[in-house]
Amino acid sequence: NAGVTQTPKFQVLKTGQSMTLQCAQDMNHNSMYWYRQDPGMGLRLIYYSASEGTTDKGEVPNGYNVSRLNKREFSLRLESAAPSQTSVYFCASGRGSDTQYFGPGTRLTVL
Amino acid sequence: AQRVTQPEKLLSVFKGAPVELKCNYSYSGSPELFWYVQYSRQRLQLLLRHISRESIKGFTADLNKGETSFHLKKPFAQEEDSAMYYCALSGLQGAQKLVFGQGTRLTINP
Repeated sequence: NAGVTQTPKFQVLKTGQSMTLQCAQDMNHNSMYWYRQDPGMGLRLIYYSASEGTTDKGEVPNGYNVSRLNKREFSLRLESAAPSQTSVYFCASGRGSDTQYFGPGTRLTVL
Repeated sequence: AQRVTQPEKLLSVFKGAPVELKCNYSYSGSPELFWYVQYSRQRLQLLLRHISRESIKGFTADLNKGETSFHLKKPFAQEEDSAMYYCALSGLQGAQKLVFGQGTRLTINP
């Protein structure tokens, strides 16, 4: 099992460009999550999906949209990237209140 | 509001010495507390959770509701314990919305 996979690993964008971060899990988990990690701030929840067909805002949703494409896939979209969105993005999945399993992360730089 | 505070950004101890990583939380209900660890060039992974009452890699953590703390302890640090440690809290059943602390980078000196 690959667990949680994320693409791309690295990305550089110019201000105003758009992109989609992809996440997939092969553990048959119901819940999936997107976090961002910034120095000195830990990880902060952007959006989550408790089950296929549902999505909800987390702590820092502004500037992002998500799609729960199916049970396996949960994508994060930046419609108009800003320098403040420079961060490392982590996707995670889990069975509700159980342990969360994290992907390797995407390092995004917005110039 | 849910909040997790890890007061030490950096912690350095010598091999064989005891180590304690501090975690304090703010939550009005009954929280679920976790410690996650990220070793160099590896993914963030669960180290332990308070409801399991396990000792993982020699680490233990006790939930103290009176002091609202969940400190991580190990009596004898090993070099392979060097990593970034995050304390996290969840108060929602169903989808587990984790609130993370700022993290503590632990360095074990030989």
